[in-house]
Amino acid sequence: DAKTTQPTSMDCAEGRAANLPCNHSTISGNEYVYWYRQIHSQGPQYIIHGLKNNETNEMASLIITEDRKSSTLILPHATLRDTAVYYCIVRRPTNYGQNFVFGPGTRLSVLP
Amino acid sequence: SQTIHQWPATLVQPVGSPLSLECTVEGTSNPNLYWYRQAAGRGLQLLFYSVGIGQISSEVPQNLSASRPQDRQFILSSKKLLLSDSGFYLCAWSTRTGAFFGQGTRLTVV
Repeated sequence: DAKTTQPTSMDCAEGRAANLPCNHSTISGNEYVYWYRQIHSQGPQYIIHGLKNNETNEMASLIITEDRKSSTLILPHATLRDTAVYYCIVRRPTNYGQNFVFGPGTRLSVLP
Repeated sequence: SQTIHQWPATLVQPVGSPLSLECTVEGTSNPNLYWYRQAAGRGLQLLFYSVGIGQISSEVPQNLSASRPQDRQFILSSKKLLLSDSGFYLCAWSTRTGAFFGQGTRLTVV
């Protein structure tokens, strides 16, 4: 599975949009981009995933560049409860031994 | 809907004592199950995964073992804990396109 790089940390003002970037320049054609977040001392929480097209759900939007080498997770109106570590993962769907490789992620701090 | 239960939430154990952490999944059959460990301030490290009853694959050599006695039950064990076994342990299950995690067990070996 392709490697991703993310900034170590970011700050965002409460109520503003939080834009979290992720580079995955070695992504292959059948690999999806996934985003998870982990609030302190809890298990990671699935946010969103996509292949080529931009995706939106009740939590966030995912913007994937045309060449698929990078993506951005957008939290449209960040709240204090969105403070967490955000993980960007790329992997292909498989039926066996699926391994989600989590890097250090981006620590997002939403400030009042 | 599918749910995953993991217990206990916190555990303090002395060095040399045994360990048993249990994870169960509801609302699905024949899930792929995983044990991860997370050291403080670090990413998640995959320890074991299982694609079926009695089928366990280990990703890293360690002082821990895993077992899957039932389809929706995954157990992480140790015969003798080491100080280095301290950490945050997470159970997860996956579909073809996503993974879902339990709330974790914070283990402190003293």
